[in-house]
Amino acid sequence: DTAVSQTPKYLVTQMGNDKSIKCEQNLGHDTMYWYKQDSKKFLKIMFSYNNKELIINETVPNRFSPKSPDKAHLNLHINSLELGDSAVYFCASSQDSGASTDTQYFGPGTRLTVL
Amino acid sequence: DAKTTQPTSMDCAEGRAANLPCNHSTISGNEYVYWYRQIHSQGPQYIIHGLKNNETNEMASLIITEDRKSSTLILPHATLRDTAVYYCIVNPGGTSYGKLTFGQGTILTVHP
Repeated sequence: DTAVSQTPKYLVTQMGNDKSIKCEQNLGHDTMYWYKQDSKKFLKIMFSYNNKELIINETVPNRFSPKSPDKAHLNLHINSLELGDSAVYFCASSQDSGASTDTQYFGPGTRLTVL
Repeated sequence: DAKTTQPTSMDCAEGRAANLPCNHSTISGNEYVYWYRQIHSQGPQYIIHGLKNNETNEMASLIITEDRKSSTLILPHATLRDTAVYYCIVNPGGTSYGKLTFGQGTILTVHP
């Protein structure tokens, strides 16, 4: 069974469109994250949610809106897509984000291409 | 948050041990050292973590110096499938709430 899953794996869309990426974890973790990996391969955190509550919100355009319907799901909705949004987006989860022994487990990624 | 420094790239022959160094000279007393790797086009994969004692699991060993300012990840018998980018990260815990800082990592290439 996949611990952290994301859909879709690939997403190709036009500028200006609105799209969503879904993430689910079956590990029973309390915290979920979204990371962005750009063309230069740097992996940067965007958001984290703990028990459906937003904990980390990095400097991300407000076109990006995470939504957590329950603690097993964290979806990422992106409005008015721009060329610069093209990247690979990774979802992750962990048990206790406040612990220095907390281990994050990552999903397989969603490659978003904006044309 | 403690920063880490790693070599940009390393090579290793298949079947030999791969030793990947990491400097984290500003690490605090309760911060753990974590290692992840990212195989091409996949999500980062957890490998191992430690505080001050050496650690070993089925994937690798982690050697942390006594002053905790540096560490080495050891893959005892590297295979072609171990070719990946390896990230050394200091997990601050506490009010950082899981905000991990991934650097550029070390590109490990295992060759036949």
